[in-house]
Amino acid sequence: DTEVTQTPKHLVMGMTNKKSLKCEQHMGHRAMYWYKQKAKKPPELMFVYSYEKLSINESVPSRFSPECPNSSLLNLHLHALQPEDSALYLCASSQEGQYQETQYFGPGTRLLVL
Amino acid sequence: GEDVEQSLFLSVREGDSSVINCTYTDSSSTYLYWYKQEPGAGLQLLTYIFSNMDMKQDQRLTVLLNKKDKHLSLRIADTQTGDSAIYFCAEKNSSASKIIFGSGTRLSIRP
Repeated sequence: DTEVTQTPKHLVMGMTNKKSLKCEQHMGHRAMYWYKQKAKKPPELMFVYSYEKLSINESVPSRFSPECPNSSLLNLHLHALQPEDSALYLCASSQEGQYQETQYFGPGTRLLVL
Repeated sequence: GEDVEQSLFLSVREGDSSVINCTYTDSSSTYLYWYKQEPGAGLQLLTYIFSNMDMKQDQRLTVLLNKKDKHLSLRIADTQTGDSAIYFCAEKNSSASKIIFGSGTRLSIRP
């Protein structure tokens, strides 16, 4: 099983709302990632968790707050977003976060901020 | 810094072979990937190649790597309508977890 699941599939939120994106994998992977993808652009790395600890934060604004409650789950908490944050948010996982590993991606959550 | 470049569009006739090309700049790249993204969907890992290989074949897919020229290609034999998608070339930096993606090549299939 090489599946990464993400919920919800679609999310519409206002600029004052608080919402969360969820990601889950049951492959026993210890590294999980959040990417942001704007239309017609490649994914951009936001955060990396390795063994449930934040190891990379690509200078992401604090209105995005990641959380890794356990090795199978990764959340992205959203608060006071801007319309330009509308994008496809992709979660990925890999075995341990080493450079040679393959990352497996989920289907994404399409976010619209009004 | 690292950079990965691809042409933006490719159109092929159904049943022909498609060849999607990619160039990269990071000479310490160790892993190179091809991902497929269908409209409205996430990324699907198609195949990957280690930098010490020059070719990898997997059913209809053939990956060729020219390490000297830092050139990677993906050949899809007998292209079908289901192959319509955006194909991302990506490379893995040898010192970090970060994948560097190209801008993606949109493959369209004509009858």
